[in-house]
Amino acid sequence: DAKTTQPPSMDCAEGRAANLPCNHSTISGNEYVYWYRQIHSQGPQYIIHGLKNNETNEMASLIITEDRKSSTLILPHATLRDTAVYYCIVSYSKLTFGKGITLSVRP
Amino acid sequence: NAGVMQNPRHLVRRRGQEARLRCSPMKGHSHVYWYRQLPEEGLKFMVYLQKENIIDESGMPKERFSAEFPKEGPSILRIQQVVRGDSAAYFCASSSSLGVQRAFFGQGTRLTVV
Repeated sequence: DAKTTQPPSMDCAEGRAANLPCNHSTISGNEYVYWYRQIHSQGPQYIIHGLKNNETNEMASLIITEDRKSSTLILPHATLRDTAVYYCIVSYSKLTFGKGITLSVRP
Repeated sequence: NAGVMQNPRHLVRRRGQEARLRCSPMKGHSHVYWYRQLPEEGLKFMVYLQKENIIDESGMPKERFSAEFPKEGPSILRIQQVVRGDSAAYFCASSSSLGVQRAFFGQGTRLTVV
């Protein structure tokens, strides 16, 4: 599976958009980009995934660059409950979690 | 529409005892994955199973750990002769297919070895 690189942490103000970057320069053609998050010590929660096109669901939007070497997860209106560790994963089969990015949403 | 169910949620074992962790995947899911999370660390893949088959056990310790996913019933992660270093949160996930990994995770079993 391709490796991903994420900043260790970031913060944003409640109500503002949170843009979480991820680099995956060695991604191969059949690998998807997945985003999961882990709130405190709960089980990871699926957010969104994509292959080539940008994707949007009720939780977030995923923007994948045309060369697929990087992506951005967008939480349009962050709330305090979005404070969590966010994992960007590139894979075709099993999910391999890195260290993720800790998002802190401040009031 | 129950999610992935893991039990027990908390398990305390003395050194040398056996620990059995159970995972019932979501209805219709035939792929199960086990992960371990040590305190203050990330999630580490352990094993991937389909019904009655181990597909990838590259993350499983060579000794004392085993996993199964029988035709009927939950998936079981078994740890024999537990040691203090086995204390961790063990998460199970399930998905309906390989490739598109919209996997759903359970709430985990917290194993404490005393």
